[in-house]
Amino acid sequence: RKEVEQDPGPFNVPEGATVAFNCTYSNSASQSFFWYRQDCRKEPKLLMSVYSSGNEDGRFTAQLNRASQYISLLIRDSKLSDSATYLCVVTWGSGNTPLVFGKGTRLSVIA
Amino acid sequence: NAGVTQTPKFQVLKTGQSMTLQCAQDMNHEYMSWYRQDPGMGLRLIHYSVGAGITDQGEVPNGYNVSRSTTEDFPLRLLSAAPSQTSVYFCATGGGGGGHGYTFGSGTRLTVV
Repeated sequence: RKEVEQDPGPFNVPEGATVAFNCTYSNSASQSFFWYRQDCRKEPKLLMSVYSSGNEDGRFTAQLNRASQYISLLIRDSKLSDSATYLCVVTWGSGNTPLVFGKGTRLSVIA
Repeated sequence: NAGVTQTPKFQVLKTGQSMTLQCAQDMNHEYMSWYRQDPGMGLRLIHYSVGAGITDQGEVPNGYNVSRSTTEDFPLRLLSAAPSQTSVYFCATGGGGGGHGYTFGSGTRLTVV
């Protein structure tokens, strides 16, 4: 069974806080990894890809540990606008292969 | 450049009715897929296509049919709607290899009564 497991949340944090989300995946052959953001009643949108060396995009840092089959997302200096559900996503194989989604972690940033 | 367009945005069906959810993309992507999203279940893959003329089943294909006659369109057909098919349906497309992620349409909210 193809599985992606995430922290269930919800995470309620004050503005300015640092928050981390974790994710594990079951298929050691997985090739591509992403974090998506989904706002209430909207479609998922790509937040960032996750690379083996780790990567950063502004306040967001993603890391991948292939040996442990573990992905993380760190958000620094949280903003009210960061409130959303964050989805850990893995493609099963290379090329145009289906995405497998975690159930998501809900984040609420509070003023 | 519209990206990925799904129609309709909302639909109410009676049990046993059939209908087609439309998905069109102008991004020239080879890969297209359909997901359904239910509370507590996350996004689950229904069917997908890696190119015109090629389709394959996902995790929850029962009760749905697809075809891919053109690169641009990937319609999802509900053969005989059931209340269990009440859900939000998303179409997604991708190109250039899985490493670039996929783009989603805005979704169709379907209620079967």
